[in-house]
Amino acid sequence: GAGVSQSPSNKVTEKGKDVELRCDPISGHTALYWYRQSLGQGLEFLIYFQGNSAPDKSGLPSDRFSAERTGGSVSTLTIQRTQQEDSAVYLCASSLARGPEKLFFGSGTQLSVL
Amino acid sequence: AQSVAQPEDQVNVAEGNPLTVKCTYSVSGNPYLFWYVQYPNRGLQFLLKYITGDNLVKGSYGFEAEFNKSQTSFHLKKPSALVSDSALYFCAVRDGGSYIPTFGRGTSLIVHP
Repeated sequence: GAGVSQSPSNKVTEKGKDVELRCDPISGHTALYWYRQSLGQGLEFLIYFQGNSAPDKSGLPSDRFSAERTGGSVSTLTIQRTQQEDSAVYLCASSLARGPEKLFFGSGTQLSVL
Repeated sequence: AQSVAQPEDQVNVAEGNPLTVKCTYSVSGNPYLFWYVQYPNRGLQFLLKYITGDNLVKGSYGFEAEFNKSQTSFHLKKPSALVSDSALYFCAVRDGGSYIPTFGRGTSLIVHP
């Protein structure tokens, strides 16, 4: 079966430009997470969606970051006015429910801001 | 608040020897604990989890982990390492009242032939 799909796999952009990263979770998974992985920094939580509930945005580092999830499925993470410190791998994960379920991760989007 | 620490950035072990990757955690309630592995240029893959019950948890690829409540640890172990086990390993913790796992910084495991 299909896993979590992320696109693009690589994105190179210029400082100040906006970027959109897409995540297509596993069908039927109600929970969706975005994490950021920087070299030597581990995984940093960004945002969490659960069904139709309001998302938990507590991990977003600034108001330049936003995300939406349409129809309880596909999610888009948008970074406005990108900065060099935004360069990282952005990982999306989904899981079945609220319980202590394992997360299924996509392969990530490598974002490079020049 | 919840947090997790992986005190070693890198672990080196010879093939065939036992391996241990350390993880300690801090939560206010009961912990849910996880190990994930990340191979080069791949997303994270689930290895095993502890929710409740037996303190020794067995997972994929021959890995196991031992939950130690008094030491707040959840170390990952394997009796005999393979070169193919070389990867980045992440420990994660969730407080029972939270829906968001907190991940450690990761430990790079290098298994030498």
